[in-house]
Order: sequence, then C-alpha cells, then structure tokens
Amino acid sequence: DADVTQTPRNRITKTGKRIMLECSQTKGHDRMYWYRQDPGLGLRLIYYSFDVKDINKGEISDGYSVSRQAQAKFSLSLESAIPNQTALYFCATSEPGQGISDTQYFGPGTRLTVL
Amino acid sequence: DQQVKQNSPSLSVQEGRISILNCDYTNSMFDYFLWYKKYPAEGPTFLISISSIKDKNEDGRFTVFLNKSAKHLSLHIVPSQPGDSAVYFCAASDGTNAGKSTFGDGTTLTVKP
Repeated sequence: DADVTQTPRNRITKTGKRIMLECSQTKGHDRMYWYRQDPGLGLRLIYYSFDVKDINKGEISDGYSVSRQAQAKFSLSLESAIPNQTALYFCATSEPGQGISDTQYFGPGTRLTVL
Repeated sequence: DQQVKQNSPSLSVQEGRISILNCDYTNSMFDYFLWYKKYPAEGPTFLISISSIKDKNEDGRFTVFLNKSAKHLSLHIVPSQPGDSAVYFCAASDGTNAGKSTFGDGTTLTVKP
C-alpha cells in the first residue's frame, strides 16, 4: 500500500467551483506539504504544516486554503477555481530535523483541469 | 529570482554511457541538497542527497558531486540504463530545520537502448 495517497487522481472542474484535494499518509510524519507543478517547471510550495496546529503559507498560497484534520490528513482547497490553477498537485511528507530528514515523500499527484 | 536552476531541460544519452545532470544554486545558506526522480503519472521519489560538509556522495550507479565555491552540483549516472529515463529534480534546503526544499525545474533524461 502507498504511504502517501491523494484523491482524486484526476479532476476536471469549471471556473468558479470549489474543489478539495485530499492527502493521507501512513508514514507517521508530522510535516506535510502541498506543491503544484506546471509543465516544464519545478515544484512550487503552496502550503505546509509542521503539525496539526501549525499551518504556513508557501510561495504561491493565493487562491488556496488548507486544512490539517489530523496528523495523517492534509487537504487543499480551491475556493473559486480559475483556469490558471490547472496543474499537477502533489502532497508530500517529511520528518522533522536536519539533513537526511529533509527528504520528502510524495504522493502520486492529482491532475486538476479548470475549464 | 530562481534560487535553484537546472539549465538543461533535457538530456539524451546512449545506454551504458555516463549521464551528467547539472544544478546551480544562488543561496549560500543552502546546506543540504537532494535529487529526486520522477516517472510519468507518479510522484517524485528521493534518489540521493549530499550535505554541504561533503563534496561527493555515492550510491551504486549514482554519484552526486558538490562544488560549494561554484555553487554547483551534479548527478552522475554510470552506466546509464533505459529505466533511468525520467525527470530529475534538484532540490536544496537551508538547514534551518524548516524542512522546506527549493526545487529546480527538472531535467528530462532519455537513455536510448
């Protein structure tokens, strides 16, 4: 079984709709992250959470919100989707600490298309 | 300002030869560097890493070299295999215990049989 799962894997929605992407992990990690990837570009950080009570904005948080329901669950919401939010979204986890613990473990991704 | 740059969007090599993927960074506070590999329809997976206190780290066919003075690192794959065909991301973190990494745009490696 995958350690980091994302649902849905693919989603097509319309401009203005609210959509939620969900992430669950069984690795027992405290830290969770949401990234988006656009074609030909790297991963850009949207939000991150170091524990259930700690939520932080990343470099491109505008238009997004998150909820950390439990240690194992971290959801990303688009309150009113727009076409330029069409992208591949990845959830990741890591352990606290330095060095090797900066390694992140990624889910399989959600391909979101906003029409 | 992009702090981690992979200037080659793509690289094609013959099976059995060496693949060299390059990465440059601008933030002198970065002290830990990672390479991830990504296959289509999958999330990135960790490949190899190096701390700034080292200049080389080797794991099987994969070796990462770090040149701190030039703010440059490279990933060598020897020998290259068709299964190595993937997108490779370079990432860097600044060791503030924040757990955040800055990623490059990736290099697509194609290994031809």
